Amino acid sequence: GAVVSQHPSRVICKSGTSVKIECRSLDFQATTMFWYRQFPKQSLMLMATSNEGSKATYEQGVEKDKFLINHASLTLSTLTVTSAHPEDSSFYICSARRFKQRTEAFFGQGTRLTVV
Amino acid sequence: GENVEQHPSTLSVQEGDSAVIKCTYSDSASNYFPWYKQELGKRPQLIIDIRSNVGEKKDQRIAVTLNKTAKHFSLHITETQPEDSAVYFCAASYGGATNKLIFGTGTLLAVQP
Repeated sequence: GAVVSQHPSRVICKSGTSVKIECRSLDFQATTMFWYRQFPKQSLMLMATSNEGSKATYEQGVEKDKFLINHASLTLSTLTVTSAHPEDSSFYICSARRFKQRTEAFFGQGTRLTVV
Repeated sequence: GENVEQHPSTLSVQEGDSAVIKCTYSDSASNYFPWYKQELGKRPQLIIDIRSNVGEKKDQRIAVTLNKTAKHFSLHITETQPEDSAVYFCAASYGGATNKLIFGTGTLLAVQP
């Protein structure tokens, strides 16, 4: 199979603090991982593309200094929401694509972030 | 720009009927079109996909058709069952080497028993 694990599944934090979300490919190597944000009853909005060993590519309108992405290995990418505010509350979900396979993407289970 | 339009936003059918969801993409270079099913609070699950060198693909009750000229692709579900109720998302690949997926706005499918 192709399993992508995301942690934590839920997190509540105070305004002004930072939160780190991990996305791991458990049984395959992922050269590319994608981070999405999903609001209730809405679509998956691509935030950034994370490539192992290089800087992430952010979509227009996404603050790279606020949403820090690191892809240090072929199995792990992290998203850090810095100085979180209530408007950052959302469902964050990652997906990973197999090494050398440029099509099918597998999703993590998502992280529900609530900033209070 | 990169854009995927999806219709309808909601769809209610009787059990046993067929359901069709349609998407339109903007970039003629897109070459991969997956469909995902997302149940409430869960991760999207790939249910079927099609590549640009194929016009149609079928997997049991699910089929996808692609019209490259018109930049349309559609999901067809036959003999719908209550467990088919979920949100369905289409997506199209963009970006050359990155090959990122841009998602449609989703269709909430309700299958009435």
